[in-house]
Amino acid sequence: DAGITQSPRHKVTETGTPVTLRCHQTENHRYMYWYRQDPGHGLRLIHYSYGVKDTDKGEVSDGYSVSRSKTEDFLLTLESATSSQTSVYFCAISSDRGASVDTQYFGPGTRLTVL
Amino acid sequence: AQRVTQPEKLLSVFKGAPVELKCNYSYSGSPELFWYVQYSRQRLQLLLRHISRESIKGFTADLNKGETSFHLKKPFAQEEDSAMYYCALSYGSSNTGKLIFGQGTTLQVKP
Repeated sequence: DAGITQSPRHKVTETGTPVTLRCHQTENHRYMYWYRQDPGHGLRLIHYSYGVKDTDKGEVSDGYSVSRSKTEDFLLTLESATSSQTSVYFCAISSDRGASVDTQYFGPGTRLTVL
Repeated sequence: AQRVTQPEKLLSVFKGAPVELKCNYSYSGSPELFWYVQYSRQRLQLLLRHISRESIKGFTADLNKGETSFHLKKPFAQEEDSAMYYCALSYGSSNTGKLIFGQGTTLQVKP
């Protein structure tokens, strides 16, 4: 497995509380992504980063924010968690491959339950 | 808007039977397509990408621009092929690597 870790791996929280998920990589890859995985929807991109302090929105960014202050860390924050944000969250990384972006490598996932 | 559709939630076959996992896409630009696989208790991983035209673990996929399809095929299924399979499309500018995934198909290979 590529050097990607996610923490925590499991979390149960209550509606309205803030939650931060961490993705850490040891590959020095430029690109990092956050996805959520839900039955019937596959994986959907929440936010991504193309460098330190460079981030942009994905398909389902409402209710989420991200930060990347170091190459190795990409944080996903739910400012005020809602039950609809119960999901499995995956981080992915990739590097440059010539003029395009290379294969994405995925972390182990974080299972988040919002009660 | 870009879209990836996998019409089958579950595909169940017997060992040794041929397998075809369907994927259709909608995209106005030049598509770059992938198949990712998630085995039980393992991470999501790349199976193959159309530009490399490789055969991985006996699987192949051909991009058909006329039918906007990228079906995954294997002539003889093995029990270890049982997994969740996702078709994905790279969209946006080439220097972002953003992917849109289909809903996924669970392949169950029975002994």
